[in-house]
Amino acid sequence: DAGITQSPRHKVTETGTPVTLRCHQTENHRYMYWYRQDPGHGLRLIHYSYGVKDTDKGEVSDGYSVSRSKTEDFLLTLESATSSQTSVYFCAISEIDTGELFFGEGSRLTVL
Amino acid sequence: AQSVTQLDSQVPVFEEAPVELRCNYSSSVSVYLFWYVQYPNQGLQLLLKYLSGSTLVKGINGFEAEFNKSQTSFHLRKPSVHISDTAEYFCAVRDTGGFKTIFGAGTRLFVKA
Repeated sequence: DAGITQSPRHKVTETGTPVTLRCHQTENHRYMYWYRQDPGHGLRLIHYSYGVKDTDKGEVSDGYSVSRSKTEDFLLTLESATSSQTSVYFCAISEIDTGELFFGEGSRLTVL
Repeated sequence: AQSVTQLDSQVPVFEEAPVELRCNYSSSVSVYLFWYVQYPNQGLQLLLKYLSGSTLVKGINGFEAEFNKSQTSFHLRKPSVHISDTAEYFCAVRDTGGFKTIFGAGTRLFVKA
């Protein structure tokens, strides 16, 4: 299994509070991604990174920010959580020449 | 912009029957195509991928898919399913020169005894 760790795995929070999800990899892969999974929508790309301090927006980036200060860590921040951000969040890593994504186990976030 | 349409949200099938899960994509450039599987309460793992070459791609667990450029399709097939194939299957596309992989909404395969 690819060495990808997401934390926390489960979190319940209240509307308006900040939340940070962490993705840590031990594979030294250049590319890292954050997706959210919702019933009927599959996986939607939130943000991705193609190197340290190099990030870009995905399909559903509103309300989310990311940071990547080290190759191994990619943080997803919800500045002020809303109920619509209740979801399962997946981190993925990739080396671009293979195209394959390796996924973490997911972080389930509930915003009350 | 790329998009992926999985034509069936749920597919019930009896054990040992054949199955086809349909996927169509749209893109203005050349693409790589993927099928991922998600077993209950787990993350996603790669089932198979098309990068170039033969349009018939074989993957794990007896699955295969065929890339049809003219119909912009990448349907997944298995000649005989097992109970253990019950899972959600996602079709995905990426531009050959890009960074982003876009997923379809998923197809839930239910295999009944």
